[in-house]
Amino acid sequence: NAGVMQNPRHLVRRRGQEARLRCSPMKGHSHVYWYRQLPEEGLKFMVYLQKENIIDESGMPKERFSAEFPKEGPSILRIQQVVRGDSAAYFCASSEIWDREETQYFGPGTRLLVL
Amino acid sequence: DAKTTQPNSMESNEEEPVHLPCNHSTISGTDYIHWYRQLPSQGPEYVIHGLTSNVNNRMASLAIAEDRKSSTLILHRATLRDAAVYYCILGRDTGNQFYFGTGTSLTVIP
Repeated sequence: NAGVMQNPRHLVRRRGQEARLRCSPMKGHSHVYWYRQLPEEGLKFMVYLQKENIIDESGMPKERFSAEFPKEGPSILRIQQVVRGDSAAYFCASSEIWDREETQYFGPGTRLLVL
Repeated sequence: DAKTTQPNSMESNEEEPVHLPCNHSTISGTDYIHWYRQLPSQGPEYVIHGLTSNVNNRMASLAIAEDRKSSTLILHRATLRDAAVYYCILGRDTGNQFYFGTGTSLTVIP
């Protein structure tokens, strides 16, 4: 059973370009979370999605950031008009069910560098 | 945010036990206590979780205080591969957002 997959692993963008980060959850998992980690900091929650639904986006910046988890295919985190402050590691996690005891399984992350 | 407090760093000699403490004085009755670790340049890895009783698995043990305001992750014999940042996290009902904090950076000395 493959783990959570993220691609690309490294992404370089110039200011003003768009970044698309992909996450394929573990097989059988229908809950996806995105987190961002700035250098020397812990992970910060961004958004929680189920298939075709955004459940909680309280951690998402109000502008330029969006996320989706379509019925078919991976979850996508999209950052429009990137700025240098968007440089970070972005991690996706998935879980099988949603309850208080759920375990989230994390992918290897996408490291975004904005020049 | 569900706050936890951990020491910034700890050291251990290889092959010796390690006790990583975590304070969570604002824990609610339904919060599970999760531990994850993050090796350099990798995503967080699940270690263990529990609610009230002490828990054991192949990686570690989790000791939970009777009042649940603190817990301790126990690595029985530290190896060099255990060098990582360890995060103590409270899993909550609503959205179950994991609040990671800054964790404890564990150094294992050969």
